[in-house]
Amino acid sequence: QITLKESGPTLVKPTQTLTLTCTFSGMSLSTSEVAVGWIRQPPGKALEWLALIYWDDDKHYSPSLKSRLTITKDTAKNQVVLLMANMDPVDTATYYCARSIIDDYGDPRWFDPWGQGTLVTVSS
Amino acid sequence: QSVLTQPPSASETPGQTVTFSCSGSTSNIGTNTVNWYQHLPGTAPKLLIYDNNQRRSGVPDRFSGSKSGTSASLAISGLQSEDEADYYCATWDDSLNGWLFGGGTRLTVL
Repeated sequence: QITLKESGPTLVKPTQTLTLTCTFSGMSLSTSEVAVGWIRQPPGKALEWLALIYWDDDKHYSPSLKSRLTITKDTAKNQVVLLMANMDPVDTATYYCARSIIDDYGDPRWFDPWGQGTLVTVSS
Repeated sequence: QSVLTQPPSASETPGQTVTFSCSGSTSNIGTNTVNWYQHLPGTAPKLLIYDNNQRRSGVPDRFSGSKSGTSASLAISGLQSEDEADYYCATWDDSLNGWLFGGGTRLTVL
């Protein structure tokens, strides 16, 4: 059974850098055709994709947030870390991590399963 | 505003069929496969449909997906109260080189 769990601060101040950790089990990011992504959902709004890291350390970022995001992996610890710089109240959201499957062409196909999410509030 | 357009809400009575639309463009739906997710508030989103029309293991056959050109659809037949949730379409966009999610459709089972 594959599980993912997000962890990090529940409250950050504006301008601070958010550090979120996704810890997973039942899978390995050293296995080819596997990736882990981050998706968020502001209160009352839609899901928004943030970043994706492949087993081979290839990375993709949301163009609108690329300058603020850094995604890294620690294969030995089964963890993926997302850094988001210069946090603002509009970044208040539930942040999810999820496994993605990569096909033979190197294209991500879907997110499954997802973690339960962690609510991050940005406020002074 | 999402590049994938979904109606914000839908409602139907138990036992009936409801269909959700997801409209995109040639760089996303027109080129790549579409997934559908079910999301109940406070829980993890769940994959329902992948590769346009493939049901994830364990998903009832009441759920079906389709794609034509730059649009995709999710249909739920035999509606049940437990189907009340938010439904999102998603696909990869070759121009953005990233994932896109639709704005979501909130289903109310009357």
